[in-house]
Parts: sequence; structure tokens; C-alpha cells
Amino acid sequence: ILNVEQSPQSLHVQEGDSTNFTCSFPSSNFYALHWYRWETAKSPEALFVMTLNGDEKKKGRISATLNTKEGYSYLYIKGSQPEDSATYLCAYSEGGADGLTFGKGTHLIIQP
Amino acid sequence: KAGVTQTPRYLIKTRGQQVTLSCSPISGHRSVSWYQQTPGQGLQFLFEYFSETQRNKGNFPGRFSGRQFSNSRSEMNVSTLELGDSALYLCASSLGRAGANVLTFGAGSRLTVL
Repeated sequence: ILNVEQSPQSLHVQEGDSTNFTCSFPSSNFYALHWYRWETAKSPEALFVMTLNGDEKKKGRISATLNTKEGYSYLYIKGSQPEDSATYLCAYSEGGADGLTFGKGTHLIIQP
Repeated sequence: KAGVTQTPRYLIKTRGQQVTLSCSPISGHRSVSWYQQTPGQGLQFLFEYFSETQRNKGNFPGRFSGRQFSNSRSEMNVSTLELGDSALYLCASSLGRAGANVLTFGAGSRLTVL
């Protein structure tokens, strides 16, 4: 059974501050790492899919890094805005591209 | 373009009944994967269908089954419903296999078992 851990479980951040959180996954037989944002009453929305060790991806104020050798990925949000409030999910895919194992998410609340 | 469509959005069943949920993927997407979310749990992988074939299945009992049609639409079925099957069921479609491709999720089907 694959173990994908996300920390922290929840996070309160002041508007304008920057923040980051972690996704840990098995470092053996890595294939891909996904990040999704899930806002209340909406569907999960893709942020990034990363496959290479050392990958860094950016989408506006959100960026992510990947370390496949040690089995972790960081998601960074710069200058948090209220619309960033959501649950951020990471998902790991093992070699063979057979399905995704999701973490339980980091619930981010941006306080005005 | 149209997104991923799941029907029904909400349904209530009683223990022992069976239910069928439908997922229409984005046009051109060949993979449909299904996930279950229950309170306190992350998204749990149910199964993935690609080109009408089940490619992988998560750790769920045989009461959970699915299929994919030639137009890539997919259905999942849960037989002999139990209270613990109450959950949000999400499907997601992707161009290629789910592991390596961006998933586009539907709005989900919320099942309540009484």
C-alpha cells in the first residue's frame, strides 16, 4: 500500500503572506507527482504534473518543486489571496502509470 | 468545450440496493478513473478504464465494478449497498493513462445509503 503524506493538515495564513506545504511519497519506482486544488463546492482542479527529479513548475503565484530521490514535493504560494483558500491535494503515481494515490490534503485558509 | 459530466449528482439508496453512476469524459479523452471520498479520508482510487478495458483497480471489494463504452463514457456500479458506501464519488478523465496525465474531474455524485 502506497503512503502519500501531506503536511500540515490545515493552515491559516494572513492575506499577503507566503506559505508552503509538503507532500511525501515513496521514493522507489516513481513515475509522476500531481498537485490539485479543491475549492469548496467545486471539482478538484489540476495545478501541476511533474515527472522529473528537480522539476520546478509555476502557475501565477503558485509554484512547486520535486525531489524524487528523497520522496517529497513542496507547493509554494506567494502573496496569499482569499481566493487561494482551498484544499491542496497531491497524488503519486508509481511506475506503470496505474492509477493515482492521493494524500489527504492540506486545508488552507487565507484570513483577510 | 464541455467538461466532465457526472450523473446523478445526488442520490439516496437503502442498504442492500444497488446503484449505477455515469461519467461522460471530455471529448477526446480516453481514460476515465473513479475515486471515492469519505469524511476524513483522501480520495481513494477505485479503478481506471482506458480504451474500454479496466487497467487497474484499487483496494475495494468486488461489489464495486465498472465499465467503459466505445465512446469513452463510463459507468460504475455498486451492488448490495452498505452504510459505509455513503460517499462522494468522483470521476476524472484524461487524454492518456491517469498516472502521467492531467486529470479533469467531474462535479461528483453524492451517494447516501440509509
